Amino acid sequence: AQKVTQAQTEISVVEKEDVTLDCVYETRDTTYYLFWYKQPPSGELVFLIRRNSFDEQNEISGRYSWNFQKSTSSFNFTITASQVVDSAVYFCALSENYGGSQGNLIFGKGTKLSVKP
Amino acid sequence: DAGITQSPRHKVTETGTPVTLRCHQTENHRYMYWYRQDPGHGLRLIHYSYGVKDTDKGEVSDGYSVSRSKTEDFLLTLESATSSQTSVYFCAISEDTDTQYFGPGTRLTVL
Repeated sequence: AQKVTQAQTEISVVEKEDVTLDCVYETRDTTYYLFWYKQPPSGELVFLIRRNSFDEQNEISGRYSWNFQKSTSSFNFTITASQVVDSAVYFCALSENYGGSQGNLIFGKGTKLSVKP
Repeated sequence: DAGITQSPRHKVTETGTPVTLRCHQTENHRYMYWYRQDPGHGLRLIHYSYGVKDTDKGEVSDGYSVSRSKTEDFLLTLESATSSQTSVYFCAISEDTDTQYFGPGTRLTVL
């Protein structure tokens, strides 16, 4: 069965520290998408990144970077030099039935990141 | 930002009453989804639509029905609300099986 595990329920860091959020997934599909979303205290869900299963290249966007490793079924997210504005709940998600008619997302339970000044 | 609105944004209702939540999009995307978010569960799919009048069930569909009579609107109905349906409800849209963009959410309290 498809499943996404975010083992870290809560993480607390001090501003300017680097922090890595872990995501491990299970899927029967050979092709799939992985996502990260951010939910700040205001409650909306903000799309951060999508990665397809054929592309294992790491990606960097400013202070954010993502490490995708199919061998360990992991898609980890690192924030470099964290800031207070990074405080949020971060969700990792896996798409189901890639290329089919659904594309439904399976979400992890989220990691709450608190960045203290 | 994707043009997605949800109404109402907050609602308090009583057990046993019917409730309808509306999701409206201005992006002309084919797919629309309803999720609920509960502490300790992340987001779980309730129903989704892959076109006008084409809908299907998700993981937690019991007690919910949906309708899509126009591309831009996707309605979620709780026929007889129960306290277990107290939650935050999110609508999402996507073009094909692509990235899903989420609406602002509706906080529903069933007393």
